[in-house]
Amino acid sequence: EEQLVESGGGLVQPGGSLRLSCAASGFTFRSYEMNWVRQAPGKGLEWVSDISTSGTTARYADSVKGRFTISRDNAKNSLYLQMNGLGADDTAVYYCARRGIAAAGRWFDPWGQGTLVTVSS
Amino acid sequence: IQLTQSPSFLSASVGDRVTITCRASQGISSYLVWYQQRVGKAPKLLIYAASTLQSGVPSRFSGSGSGTEFTLTISSLQPEDFATYYCQQFNSYPYSFGQGTKLEIK
Repeated sequence: EEQLVESGGGLVQPGGSLRLSCAASGFTFRSYEMNWVRQAPGKGLEWVSDISTSGTTARYADSVKGRFTISRDNAKNSLYLQMNGLGADDTAVYYCARRGIAAAGRWFDPWGQGTLVTVSS
Repeated sequence: IQLTQSPSFLSASVGDRVTITCRASQGISSYLVWYQQRVGKAPKLLIYAASTLQSGVPSRFSGSGSGTEFTLTISSLQPEDFATYYCQQFNSYPYSFGQGTKLEIK
């Protein structure tokens, strides 16, 4: 079964940092671009970042650019999101999601169950 | 690219046919996806490339459109279909989502 499992969420103070992880299983992780998507409580979905198969290319939403860093370890089948300078607006459930294979695969499936990040003093 | 879904809320009954619209602020070819999200769960892929049904998704779901206007239709609502639906574009970064359509039981 193809599966993504996020971890690392929790309560952090404004201005603090947190590192999220996403463990992949059931598929060839190194062959897929990976993404982070977040959802603030009671709100819609927001694409956050993605990373190429090799890890050499990353893109970010303007709302997190310069504060968040996406990375991956293909040997460990893992995706990461380093979040610095956190603010209340970053409070959300963070999902990792796999993009479809190659350039034609323009969809996200599967998604992890999400990990909640709460930024509050 | 901004995606605007209509309606934002929809009340319907089991067995009804419903249609949700997603309009893009500029042309996105057929690079549009639909997801279903139940309360407390991750989004689930329903349709990609505007009209291709994801494997395992019931055939009562269908999608159509290209360019700037897209629709998701559920031909005969089942109890498990009451959820929130999102469209997402993959034409260009950032891969934006619509604001969602919450489908509620009448």
